[in-house]
Amino acid sequence: DADVTQTPRNRITKTGKRIMLECSQTKGHDRMYWYRQDPGLGLRLIYYSFDVKDINKGEISDGYSVSRQAQAKFSLSLESAIPNQTALYFCATSFAQGASTDTQYFGPGTRLTVL
Amino acid sequence: GQQVMQIPQYQHVQEGEDFTTYCNSSTTLSNIQWYKQRPGGHPVFLIQLVKSGEVKKQKRLTFQFGEAKKNSSLHITATQTTDVGTYFCAASAGANNLFFGTGTRLTVIP
Repeated sequence: DADVTQTPRNRITKTGKRIMLECSQTKGHDRMYWYRQDPGLGLRLIYYSFDVKDINKGEISDGYSVSRQAQAKFSLSLESAIPNQTALYFCATSFAQGASTDTQYFGPGTRLTVL
Repeated sequence: GQQVMQIPQYQHVQEGEDFTTYCNSSTTLSNIQWYKQRPGGHPVFLIQLVKSGEVKKQKRLTFQFGEAKKNSSLHITATQTTDVGTYFCAASAGANNLFFGTGTRLTVIP
């Protein structure tokens, strides 16, 4: 959705560099997520945040950190990038839907290449 | 961690043929969601199934949730070229985190 934006859309970096991927949303959702997508592995959750003061590790958080600067902004950092972090990264948002699991609204993705 | 297995990984069909993708879990699921990702695009929510044995339809797409809430399927009748993309199931076992299947990439040959 255009309501979820990610910058940059493409990035090539070198091993050992620090890099930040940014996500912004105008949907007014409280919850934000970072996923990575690798061919044949689907989408795997890196970190998620249910509000500004809440940060939680996902399935594959090692090597990553996040910051929830505001309700609308959630950034993902790679402190020292390595080649196996080459992947397509998606930000997603959701809002609490009671007993059902939230529907995820994805941004357009950031393609990261680490040389 | 929870795993959701999805098969097949790839499927090539002639336009007009049917297509089915299957999602299986070893644990009982609270609910299951399905997403579609067009080539070069991002995943887009299609539907959520919550009840045991639930069946939902969206035009040519039929979604089923197994009686034991451990498996689900997506069936497309008479595929069209607009159906190309990767279809993901995403499951939750209670906590509000989704575990995505590995996806089935559908190619439709005109």
